[in-house]
Amino acid sequence: SQQGEEDPQALSIQEGENATMNCSYKTSINNLQWYRQNSGRGLVHLILIRSNEREKHSGRLRVTLDTSKKSSSLLITASRAADTASYFCATDAWGAQKLVFGQGTRLTINP
Amino acid sequence: DTEVTQTPKHLVMGMTNKKSLKCEQHMGHRAMYWYKQKAKKPPELMFVYSYEKLSINESVPSRFSPECPNSSLLNLHLHALQPEDSALYLCASSPQGGQFNEKLFFGSGTQLSVL
Repeated sequence: SQQGEEDPQALSIQEGENATMNCSYKTSINNLQWYRQNSGRGLVHLILIRSNEREKHSGRLRVTLDTSKKSSSLLITASRAADTASYFCATDAWGAQKLVFGQGTRLTINP
Repeated sequence: DTEVTQTPKHLVMGMTNKKSLKCEQHMGHRAMYWYKQKAKKPPELMFVYSYEKLSINESVPSRFSPECPNSSLLNLHLHALQPEDSALYLCASSPQGGQFNEKLFFGSGTQLSVL
């Protein structure tokens, strides 16, 4: 069964606006990760947040984790055209020892 | 060197062909992965090698045969594929063997078309 579900499936915003994507999961986790994928390319790791952490920042990225709600959000501030990509959350269920990717959010930044 | 290199970038093959996908990393990572990704879908795990031994096989059909000749190289041998096997094949690596839930480093992938 899928571990992570993301919403929205697609998001289109104007350059300079903030973009928020959400990820929900079903079972307890050790960590949750976010990856970016440009069309037809490999995935690039953005942030890893562990189950005992609530928030992490990296540049224009802010990730939150709410283990009580089994959900995470990725906020990209001051978006740029280069942020256009698909964004995937990935979770590891306790004992699973592997990552399972969510369905992804396709983000389009309009100039 | 912080890259995972995959070759070829594109591959077209017939259903009777035999081909191989190659993946190389020089970061000293001890776990290497093959993922399959269909268009507009998330990557799906196929195989994981840890310390050059197969650790995870996600019930992948035998027409896909992985090989890890050494700690830097990972191959995926393809034989008698079906058109539905057309996809982007991604290789990834991670630093620690035996622990497959940490940060993954991905290659750019091989776009495979089976005719």
